[in-house]
Amino acid sequence: KAGVTQTPRYLIKTRGQQVTLSCSPISGHRSVSWYQQTPGQGLQFLFEYFSETQRNKGNFPGRFSGRQFSNSRSEMNVSTLELGDSALYLCASSLVGTGEKAFFGQGTRLTVV
Amino acid sequence: SQQGEEDPQALSIQEGENATMNCSYKTSINNLQWYRQNSGRGLVHLILIRSNEREKHSGRLRVTLDTSKKSSSLLITASRAADTASYFCATDAEGGSNYKLTFGKGTLLTVNP
Repeated sequence: KAGVTQTPRYLIKTRGQQVTLSCSPISGHRSVSWYQQTPGQGLQFLFEYFSETQRNKGNFPGRFSGRQFSNSRSEMNVSTLELGDSALYLCASSLVGTGEKAFFGQGTRLTVV
Repeated sequence: SQQGEEDPQALSIQEGENATMNCSYKTSINNLQWYRQNSGRGLVHLILIRSNEREKHSGRLRVTLDTSKKSSSLLITASRAADTASYFCATDAEGGSNYKLTFGKGTLLTVNP
């Protein structure tokens, strides 16, 4: 069974640009979550999707958005990038999204210059 | 905000020794999980312990949970150089209805050969 796949692995963007990150969950998993990891703030929850519905959203500005497609693949978008958005963005998938272990992708390393 | 705090922040031991990491959390939980992260990569699930369990074993791992003290410990026995990584505890809220994991800041474990 293939693991969680995140693309791209690395990105360099300029302040003010926007970026879209992609996550393909494990086959059969319907819950996809996104996390931001920085040295200062650690791992912070961004949002969770299940069957194309956002069930929870973390405390991030509206510049951060996401969506999930009918095949459970998910994308997150960050508009008007700021230097502070530089981080490792991790995607996790699980069967139903609660009370179970999560499988993480390798992450997308975003650098904003 | 971070739910938990791992203690210690960093731990350096010799191969063959045992490593103990502690985690404290703030709110009532559904379950607590431990994850490992090798430098800059995705998280790997290690073990999940439910709120009604007190101790769980998996190979060289032993996890305890004390819900009255809102704390957990992870013991790695007979450590190996390959155990060098950051270790995070993660909780999901009681009832499991917020569909997110809240992570601690992590313990950086270095196992010297």
